[in-house]
Amino acid sequence: DAKTTQPTSMDCAEGRAANLPCNHSTISGNEYVYWYRQIHSQGPQYIIHGLKNNETNEMASLIITEDRKSSTLILPHATLRDTAVYYCIVRVGGDSSYKLIFGSGTRLLVRP
Amino acid sequence: SAVISQKPSRDICQRGTSLTIQCQVDSQVTMMFWYRQQPGQSLTLIATANQGSEATYESGFVIDKFPISRPNLTFSTLTVSNMSPEDSSIYLCSVEPYVKTEAFFGQGTRLTVV
Repeated sequence: DAKTTQPTSMDCAEGRAANLPCNHSTISGNEYVYWYRQIHSQGPQYIIHGLKNNETNEMASLIITEDRKSSTLILPHATLRDTAVYYCIVRVGGDSSYKLIFGSGTRLLVRP
Repeated sequence: SAVISQKPSRDICQRGTSLTIQCQVDSQVTMMFWYRQQPGQSLTLIATANQGSEATYESGFVIDKFPISRPNLTFSTLTVSNMSPEDSSIYLCSVEPYVKTEAFFGQGTRLTVV
């Protein structure tokens, strides 16, 4: 199974962009990259996912390199409420049999 | 979207006993997933539960220790058997209502074994 590697912790200033990197060098061609975050040991919250193309939604942007070996989650204007653990995840398997493999996560601290 | 209700939200149990965790979803889903999150750690997949078939367990997890039931498309249970303090963790269930879209997680069951 493909695995992900993330920095243990990062910080950024409130109002600035937070760029969270993830390496997934063993990812296969049909495996998606997902990002979730977890606040205070609540259930993980979905942020965004992608396969090859860059993706953007109301929460964040996902930039995937052309070789798909790494990606970056961008929170464009971080707020204090964005302080959380961010997980980069690879979705392995097909439509009928699949699973999410969680990375170790990056603890993001947004500073006032 | 999907709303997941897990019960109990937390429990303190004596070693050697068993606890059954329930996961109820507000819509029918094919696959349900059970995860364990040990203190300060990431989530680890325990097993995948399909309705009408045996659960598929990940390496390091066995049915005798973590029996799973999936009686219908909206409900599943995970039992943590013969508990020891090392089983103290948060246990979460998850569903993906539509393929290759967002997976939803319950709020978890915080288990402490004493």
